[in-house]
Amino acid sequence: EVQLVESGGGLVKPGGSLRLSCAASGFTFSSYSMNWVRQAPGKGLEWVSSISSSSSYIYYADSVKGRFTISRDNAKNSLYLQMNSLRAEDTAVYYCARLELGFSFDYWGQGTLVTVSS
Amino acid sequence: QSALTQPASVSGSPGQSITISCTGTSSDVGGYNYVSWYQQHPGKAPKLMIYEVSNRPSGVSNRFSGSKSGNTASLTISGLQAEDEADYYCSSYTSSSLYVFGTGTKVTVL
Repeated sequence: EVQLVESGGGLVKPGGSLRLSCAASGFTFSSYSMNWVRQAPGKGLEWVSSISSSSSYIYYADSVKGRFTISRDNAKNSLYLQMNSLRAEDTAVYYCARLELGFSFDYWGQGTLVTVSS
Repeated sequence: QSALTQPASVSGSPGQSITISCTGTSSDVGGYNYVSWYQQHPGKAPKLMIYEVSNRPSGVSNRFSGSKSGNTASLTISGLQAEDEADYYCSSYTSSSLYVFGTGTKVTVL
């Protein structure tokens, strides 16, 4: 059974940093591109970042470019999101999601809440 | 990248069919057959319902179907059931190798 479990969320002050993790199991992690998608409270989904299976290709939404860094460790079946210079508008539930057929997100974690507030 | 445009809400009675639209541009929806749809119940993670415009993943009811014409994709739910009440989001691959989601549609079963 495919499982994605996020961790690392919490309360952080504006300008602060946080590192999210996503532990994957139940599939060959090293064969799949992975993504972070976020959802602000009461709002819609927003794609944040994507990383290819071997980390050769990395993409970011304009809203986080230069502040967030996606990475992965295939030996540990783990995906990461380093978030720096956090702003109030980064407050959201952050999901990790696997990329599958037709550039669709076929499996999602349960999400981890990041709150940026003073 | 601007979000794809969806109606804020759609409603229907049990057994009826409803259709949710998702309008983008030639750089996303119109340019690729890489439109997917997600169902999200309150407090839960999104669930993939349709990929590549009209394909259903294993386990998704055949009451859900997708289509596309030009820059607009659509999700149709036939034989509406109480359990279908949820938020629905479309998503598309874009010409910038990025991904964009729709604004979301709340489906209410009357």
